[in-house]
Amino acid sequence: NAGVTQTPKFRVLKTGQSMTLLCAQDMNHEYMYWYRQDPGMGLRLIHYSVGEGTTAKGEVPDGYNVSRLKKQNFLLGLESAAPSQTSVYFCASRRSSDGELFFGEGSRLTVL
Amino acid sequence: DAKTTQPPSMDCAEGRAANLPCNHSTISGNEYVYWYRQIHSQGPQYIIHGLKNNETNEMASLIITEDRKSSTLILPHATLRDTAVYYCIVRVVYKAAGNKLTFGGGTRVLVKP
Repeated sequence: NAGVTQTPKFRVLKTGQSMTLLCAQDMNHEYMYWYRQDPGMGLRLIHYSVGEGTTAKGEVPDGYNVSRLKKQNFLLGLESAAPSQTSVYFCASRRSSDGELFFGEGSRLTVL
Repeated sequence: DAKTTQPPSMDCAEGRAANLPCNHSTISGNEYVYWYRQIHSQGPQYIIHGLKNNETNEMASLIITEDRKSSTLILPHATLRDTAVYYCIVRVVYKAAGNKLTFGGGTRVLVKP
């Protein structure tokens, strides 16, 4: 099993460009999450999903959009990247509401 | 969600037990205590969670006080690979809210030879 896979792992964007981060899990998990982590900080929740076709806002949703068209995939989009979105992005999934949270390896995004 | 308070950092000796404290004095009856750790810049890794009773697995033990206002994560024999930031989180298990976990600052643990 691959677990939680994030692509790409590294990306450099110019201000105003758009991009999509893909999170894929092969564990048939219902819940999926996108977090960002800035240097020296804890993780902050951007958006999450409690099942296929559902999405909801987390703590810091502004400037991001998400989609969960397929149960195994959770996409995070930046429509117009800003330098403040330079961060490491982590995707996570879990099978049930109280289960273990599995994280991907992270995607490092730099916006110039 | 109840807030948690952890020391910002602590050192421990390799081979000794590491006891990581967490205060959650405002915890409510239906909130679980979770522990995760993050090694360097990797994704956080689940360690253990519990509600009332003490829990043990292959990685660690979780001791929750009887009043549930604090807990201690115990790494029985710390190794250099246990050097990481450890996060204590409390959360209500509520399906519609997605059971979101909020990661605070955590405790930076340095295991020394």
